[in-house]
Amino acid sequence: SAVISQKPSRDICQRGTSLTIQCQVDSQVTMMFWYRQQPGQSLTLIATANQGSEATYESGFVIDKFPISRPNLTFSTLTVSNMSPEDSSIYLCSVAEYEQYFGPGTRLTVT
Amino acid sequence: QQQVKQSPQSLIVQKGGISIINCAYENTAFDYFPWYQQFPGKGPALLIAIRPDVSEKKEGRFTISFNKSAKQFSLHIMDSQPGDSATYFCAASIQGGKLIFGQGTELSVKP
Repeated sequence: SAVISQKPSRDICQRGTSLTIQCQVDSQVTMMFWYRQQPGQSLTLIATANQGSEATYESGFVIDKFPISRPNLTFSTLTVSNMSPEDSSIYLCSVAEYEQYFGPGTRLTVT
Repeated sequence: QQQVKQSPQSLIVQKGGISIINCAYENTAFDYFPWYQQFPGKGPALLIAIRPDVSEKKEGRFTISFNKSAKQFSLHIMDSQPGDSATYFCAASIQGGKLIFGQGTELSVKP
């Protein structure tokens, strides 16, 4: 199975600032996704990170708020822009091979 | 159509007992049904997954039962242990794409 790492593992940020989360996979994967998990809730897909092209965003999520880069088949970044306390969540990257696996997550607190 | 409904929301089982969590879906195009186990502060870990060409899959103490006609699938944890206490999520996807998650079940196994 793919080994996925995320940086940072957690952060506390001020309202109005931005944070970039990195996701690194130990093998080349075609499908990579970014999810959000709000406190005590299930997981919701933010977007599909497409290599070499713009990400595909789900309803309710926009590129200006959550810009995503996917420069190659092993790496992606998610930026949470102009943060508010409502953005406090766990952000998770996921890859799909034959199975789908998740990274350890980035726990973000916005004050 | 894209929803996955999971029940129960919480479950308390005695050590050695059987834990059963159920999920139902509407979209017959779903072709991948994983279960994830999540401990507090961790990312979801793939526990077991099934595809609709089989009705049951067993890995150790964990079994998925799949009923295609009823559009339901369930997770059975045999000989439940306190270490199994976690939140469990069912999910579904189409052709390795984005996962649609159930609402989660918080399992507590009492010693």
